[in-house]
Amino acid sequence: GAVVSQHPSWVICKSGTSVKIECRSLDFQATTMFWYRQFPKQSLMLMATSNEGSKATYEQGVEKDKFLINHASLTLSTLTVTSAHPEDSSFYICSAPEMAGRYEQYFGPGTRLTVT
Amino acid sequence: QKEVEQNSGPLSVPEGAIASLNCTYSDRVSQSFFWYRQYSGKSPELIMSIYSNGDKEDGRFTAQLNKASQYVSLLIRDSQPSDSATYLCAVRRNTNAGKSTFGDGTTLTVKP
Repeated sequence: GAVVSQHPSWVICKSGTSVKIECRSLDFQATTMFWYRQFPKQSLMLMATSNEGSKATYEQGVEKDKFLINHASLTLSTLTVTSAHPEDSSFYICSAPEMAGRYEQYFGPGTRLTVT
Repeated sequence: QKEVEQNSGPLSVPEGAIASLNCTYSDRVSQSFFWYRQYSGKSPELIMSIYSNGDKEDGRFTAQLNKASQYVSLLIRDSQPSDSATYLCAVRRNTNAGKSTFGDGTTLTVKP
């Protein structure tokens, strides 16, 4: 299967600071990537769809000014959590569909964010 | 009604038994169906995909699809403790540019 990487795997930051998370497709091009958030023992929640070369599409209730998404190339999307607060502490996971085949969606290993 | 529904569980089976995980979906134009496994603290991992009615087998895993009934299932034969995880069902329309809709998952525990 296709490989998606994420960096960092975990990060601790202070309240009020910003954190950038990178998502890369390693062996395929991804014109679209998805960003999810998952709180402990809860379901995956789709935050936004990242589109290469254009603006991201955010799900209802997700603040686009707080969660900045940039998809500058066919293999890289970034999520920046701006002015982070403790309630933003969560597991952030990106995924990318492998579009040349059957659109199977491959997930990165996730980034655990803790805001103190 | 949720677009993709799964029993939350927990589902508990003894080691060596067959675990049966079920999923129903509401969008009749869905064309692609996926099963993901998610271990606690990890991200989801694709384990099966199915696109046409019937059964698809891969090792100990069998996915079953019935589009008329809008139902997809996953059978795990000879269940092992290492199969203990949350299993996510995902459904996709061909027009959705790769975006799948996920169920909330079923937690499976395989007891030694």
